[in-house]
Amino acid sequence: DIQLTQSPSSLSASVGDRVTMTCRASQNIMNYLNWYQQIPGKAPNLLIHAASSLQSGVPSRFNGSGSGTDFILTISNLQPEDVAIYYCQESYRIPWTFGQGTKVEIK
Amino acid sequence: QVHLEESGPGLVKPSGTLSLTCAVSGDSISSSNWWSWVRQSPGKGLEWIGEIFHTGATNYNPSLETRLTISVDKSKNQFSLKVNSVTAADTAVYYCARGHQWDLSYSFDYWGQGILVTVSS
Repeated sequence: DIQLTQSPSSLSASVGDRVTMTCRASQNIMNYLNWYQQIPGKAPNLLIHAASSLQSGVPSRFNGSGSGTDFILTISNLQPEDVAIYYCQESYRIPWTFGQGTKVEIK
Repeated sequence: QVHLEESGPGLVKPSGTLSLTCAVSGDSISSSNWWSWVRQSPGKGLEWIGEIFHTGATNYNPSLETRLTISVDKSKNQFSLKVNSVTAADTAVYYCARGHQWDLSYSFDYWGQGILVTVSS
């Protein structure tokens, strides 16, 4: 199975800040990497697919980048509604796997 | 708008069978999408369980494969999950999701709201 390691496990930032989080794959997965946002008590919501393609309806302050083994999710201008856990997920090889998540909080 | 909704018992006895159904609306189960089950143990991350195509083709997580059956009912536009010989470790929120193939990627673009299944006597 492909292992995905996310860092940091949690972060705290102020409204309006730019935050970044990373996802590292245990092998080259090209750009087969997706990002999801999970608000507490809700289902995950697709933010980014193919490493950098913004899903329809997702605010443009979310940006994904990277390829190969290292990927980054950036939230510019952090908003209170962005408080959530963010998961990466690979779609390179079955079984599809998820990272352990990065929890984003507001200071 | 695509909508998925899970249903089934919220409590299953140890060694029993967990059975869930996902009703799909706003898309045909016979479309070019795959249909997945994902679970999340309390306070833990996400685990992909398996998926099915309308032809009946399936892909399962090897960690669960020996206990799994995923099936599709095209007449009802729904798909189902059965997990045999459950233990407390199978206690989780179970989500159904649509697996969509983009030009160069594959992702879960629609999810159900999730259903908590507790394994306990």
